[in-house]
Amino acid sequence: EVQLVESGGGLVQPGRSLRLSCAASGFTFDDYAMHWVRQAPGKGLEWVSGISWNSGSTGYADSVKGRFTISRDNAKNSLYLQMNSLRAEDTALYYCAKDERDGLDMAYFDYWGQGTLVTVSS
Amino acid sequence: SYELTQPPSVSVSPGQTARITCSADALPKQYAYWYQQKPGQAPVLVIYKDSERPSGIPERFSGSSSGTTVTLTISGVQAEDEADYYCQSADSSGTYPVVFGGGTKLTVL
Repeated sequence: EVQLVESGGGLVQPGRSLRLSCAASGFTFDDYAMHWVRQAPGKGLEWVSGISWNSGSTGYADSVKGRFTISRDNAKNSLYLQMNSLRAEDTALYYCAKDERDGLDMAYFDYWGQGTLVTVSS
Repeated sequence: SYELTQPPSVSVSPGQTARITCSADALPKQYAYWYQQKPGQAPVLVIYKDSERPSGIPERFSGSSSGTTVTLTISGVQAEDEADYYCQSADSSGTYPVVFGGGTKLTVL
């Protein structure tokens, strides 16, 4: 059974940093691209970032480019999101999502975690 | 930026057919995907590559594409289908590899 378990969320002040983690199990992690998708309270889905199976390709939404960094450790079956210079508008539930393919082209998500909540507030 | 346009809401009675549209310029060249999200739950993929249905998704869910519009059709709507539905695709240049529509709230009357 595929499982994606996010952690690392919490309350953080504007301008500070936070690192999210996603522990994956139930599939061959290094065969697939992985992504972060967020959802602000009461709002729709927003793709944040994606990384190919071997970390060779990464992509970011314009809203986080230059502030967030996605990475993965295939030996640990883990996905990460380093979030710097956080803003109030980054407040959201952050989902880890598995791609059905190994690269970032034609990306789509066949499994999702339950999310970790990030609240940016003073 | 690149946008996928969905109606904010659709309402149908049980047993009727619900159609949710998603429009964007690149849809003739890019596949579309559909997700169902119920309150307090993570999204679930219900249609991929315009019209393919993942295993475990009921046959009443189907997808189609025509020009710049893709459509999610739910035939014989049930109360349990009440949820938010999101389309997802990409622009044709690769600048925006993943874009979601704004979502459509399906209400079963």
